[in-house]
Amino acid sequence: EAGVVQSPRYKIIEKKQPVAFWCNPISGHNTLYWYLQNLGQGPELLIRYENEEAVDDSQLPKDRFSAERLKGVDSTLKIQPAELGDSAVYLCASSLTYNEQFFGPGTRLTVL
Amino acid sequence: GQQVMQIPQYQHVQEGEDFTTYCNSSTTLSNIQWYKQRPGGHPVFLIQLVKSGEVKKQKRLTFQFGEAKKNSSLHITATQTTDVGTYFCAGRESSGYALNFGKGTSLLVTP
Repeated sequence: EAGVVQSPRYKIIEKKQPVAFWCNPISGHNTLYWYLQNLGQGPELLIRYENEEAVDDSQLPKDRFSAERLKGVDSTLKIQPAELGDSAVYLCASSLTYNEQFFGPGTRLTVL
Repeated sequence: GQQVMQIPQYQHVQEGEDFTTYCNSSTTLSNIQWYKQRPGGHPVFLIQLVKSGEVKKQKRLTFQFGEAKKNSSLHITATQTTDVGTYFCAGRESSGYALNFGKGTSLLVTP
């Protein structure tokens, strides 16, 4: 069974540019999460989806971040415009219940 | 909001020594999960504890959930170089679904 797929794995952009990350969760997993992980820190939740509904986006900086999961399967996280402080690893995870979360390999974003 | 604190931040042991990391929450948790992240990798689920005072074992790893459901620990007996990585606890509040991760304990094991 394929795990959580994320692309790209690495992205380098200049500040003020837009960037998008894509995630395909494990088949059948209704819950999808986007996390941000800074170096030496634990994952911090940005947004949680139940199917296509964003049920928790309280930590998402909505002035520059947006996300969608239109068909309740794969999801896209966008930053526009990117700032230097956005450099981090963006992790996607999925789960079948509110138990074990399966994480993807992450996208390492560098903003110059 | 809920805060999950982990100590120590780093631990360096010789292979064969034991290791323990501690997790404390400012609020009562409905459950707590533990994840391991290898260098350059992503978090991988280890276990979930739900009951007050619960103790679970996975080979050399022993997980405990405190009686008050506000603290937890992970103990590794006789560490091996394969245990290297960062261990995160993640607590779920009694009143919600959000999983709050601690900052992790980075374990380095030298042969």
